[in-house]
Amino acid sequence: KAGVTQTPRYLIKTRGQQVTLSCSPISGHRSVSWYQQTPGQGLQFLFEYFSETQRNKGNFPGRFSGRQFSNSRSEMNVSTLELGDSALYLCASSLVGGIAEAFFGQGTRLTVV
Amino acid sequence: EDKVVQSPLSLVVHEGDTVTLNCSYEVTNFRSLLWYKQEKKAPTFLFMLTSSGIEKKSGRLSSILDKKELFSILNITATQTGDSAVYLCAVPTDSWGKLQFGAGTQVVVTP
Repeated sequence: KAGVTQTPRYLIKTRGQQVTLSCSPISGHRSVSWYQQTPGQGLQFLFEYFSETQRNKGNFPGRFSGRQFSNSRSEMNVSTLELGDSALYLCASSLVGGIAEAFFGQGTRLTVV
Repeated sequence: EDKVVQSPLSLVVHEGDTVTLNCSYEVTNFRSLLWYKQEKKAPTFLFMLTSSGIEKKSGRLSSILDKKELFSILNITATQTGDSAVYLCAVPTDSWGKLQFGAGTQVVVTP
């Protein structure tokens, strides 16, 4: 059974640009969550999608957005990049969310210069 | 405010030692507690503990949940260099599974 796939693995962008990251969950999983990981703040929740609907959103500015497609694949977008957006972005796949186990992808390392 | 606190933040042990990691939590409506191991990038799922499953074991790793005292322990026995990693504890803070993570414990196992 394939795991969670995130693409791309690495990205370098300049300030002001926008970026789109992709996450394909484990087959059959319908919940996808996104997290930002930085050395100073640790893992912080961005948002969660289930059946194409955003069910929850973390405390991030509106420049961070996401969506989920009918096949459960999810994308997150960050517009007007800032240096502070440099981080490891992880997505987690879960059967239905809630208390079910969540499995993480390898992450996308975003560097903003 | 929901809170997850892990201790210690880091430790160094020799191969063969036993390691005990702590995770205390304060959440409004406890549902479960999850442990992950993060070596380079992807946190790898280890255990999920719930009210109906307060003790889990897999090989040299085991974990218990104390719902009364609001903490969990992850034990690693007969440690190996491959156990070197950051161990993360997380608790869902809503019914959809938004995870609140602790800061993690960095474990270094020396030969």
